[in-house]
Amino acid sequence: GNSVTQMEGPVTLSEEAFLTINCTYTATGYPSLFWYVQYPGEGLQLLLKATKADDKGSNKGFEATYRKETTSFHLEKGSVQVSDSAVYFCALRSISSNTGKLIFGQGTTLQVKP
Amino acid sequence: EPEVTQTPSHQVTQMGQEVILRCVPISNHLYFYWYRQILGQKVEFLVSFYNNEISEKSEIFDDQFSVERPDGSNFTLKIRSTKLEDSAMYFCASGDQRSYEQFFGPGTRLTVL
Repeated sequence: GNSVTQMEGPVTLSEEAFLTINCTYTATGYPSLFWYVQYPGEGLQLLLKATKADDKGSNKGFEATYRKETTSFHLEKGSVQVSDSAVYFCALRSISSNTGKLIFGQGTTLQVKP
Repeated sequence: EPEVTQTPSHQVTQMGQEVILRCVPISNHLYFYWYRQILGQKVEFLVSFYNNEISEKSEIFDDQFSVERPDGSNFTLKIRSTKLEDSAMYFCASGDQRSYEQFFGPGTRLTVL
């Protein structure tokens, strides 16, 4: 079946450090891939997405590239800020789902220290 | 900016009691969803709702669960007889038809004692 696996957290970084959060998936066909972010006390917000192989999603300095050959969608940011502290969720939407349901990874907590 | 809202933010109930979790989706959206996250585990899909009926549900969504859009604005999730293992954060989401992008509410934390 379809599934998403993320690296374990928490990830603790100093401000301006480079961030990578790994995400790999298992799916039939070519799903759409997403990163959602949850700031404390808020709902999940779409951070970026990619709908086909080699697409790069980007937003707010974050990037992720849809890699079909490695079935991965790793999240990166060149220089994190304290305000990036949040929980990050990788998710996929299967092409076989006509309802748009999302399948999530377990989430990775990022803590950025000044 | 329009947003999805959920009430209450935290619900505590006794095992065997009925609970209703409420959501107000974004007004022009057509697709509605419930997800849940048990502490420390993945966010799991429960059910999707379109055109006033369930369009897809997971194996978690058994006869104890039901959803309703009673008045064209609210979208509710009812658990008829809560179990300890129903303790989780419940997220409501809504989406438009064109993009399928889903907008999430802040969640309701349900604690079953």
